[in-house]
Amino acid sequence: QVQLQESGPGLVKPSETLSLTCTVSGGSISSYYWTWIRQPPGKGLEWIAYIYHSGNTNYNPSLKSRVTISLDTSKNQFSLKLSSGTAADTAMYYCARIFKIGALDSWGQGTLVTVSS
Amino acid sequence: QSALTQPPSASGSPGQSVTISCTGTSSDVGGHDYVSWYQEHPGKAPKLMIYEVTKRPSGVPDRFSGSKSGNTASLTVSGLQADDEADYYCSSYAGGNNYLVFGGGTKLTVL
Repeated sequence: QVQLQESGPGLVKPSETLSLTCTVSGGSISSYYWTWIRQPPGKGLEWIAYIYHSGNTNYNPSLKSRVTISLDTSKNQFSLKLSSGTAADTAMYYCARIFKIGALDSWGQGTLVTVSS
Repeated sequence: QSALTQPPSASGSPGQSVTISCTGTSSDVGGHDYVSWYQEHPGKAPKLMIYEVTKRPSGVPDRFSGSKSGNTASLTVSGLQADDEADYYCSSYAGGNNYLVFGGGTKLTVL
């Protein structure tokens, strides 16, 4: 049973970069695609980006200019960087596994990131 | 504004059936058979209930079923139970650069 765990600062100052890491256990990160999803308080889900171990990436067009997703196979981790943070980036951030096209079958518990001074 | 449109709420009594709709466009729901549904209990991560329009992951009860007609997908929950009370989100592969779009979510209340 694969498990995912997000980690990173819970508070980021405006204009700074939000950095999160997802550690995958119980399975190799070299299989499947991996993705980040976020959910602002009281709102719906938003896809951010995905990555494959080959280096193939894809980004939400509305966030593409500010987002970088990367993967470290040696640590079985993948990461998210979102630059120029604003209050609108305040959200619960989830990492997840894409097991079929568009289907996310394993999720981390989520980590709340607040962008505030 | 979410890309896919869901009713904000739905309800039913225990044992009844309820259907939640998810309307998109020919670029997402109507153009691909990659619609998924997620159940989200308060404070918990979303759980995949349906993928590829009609398929259930292992462990999901067959009380949950999915369908699609044109640009609208639907999730039906039969034999409602108290634990089915949750938020439900649909998603669809949208092709190209905008890989995945979500609905705004439907709060299902078991009366």
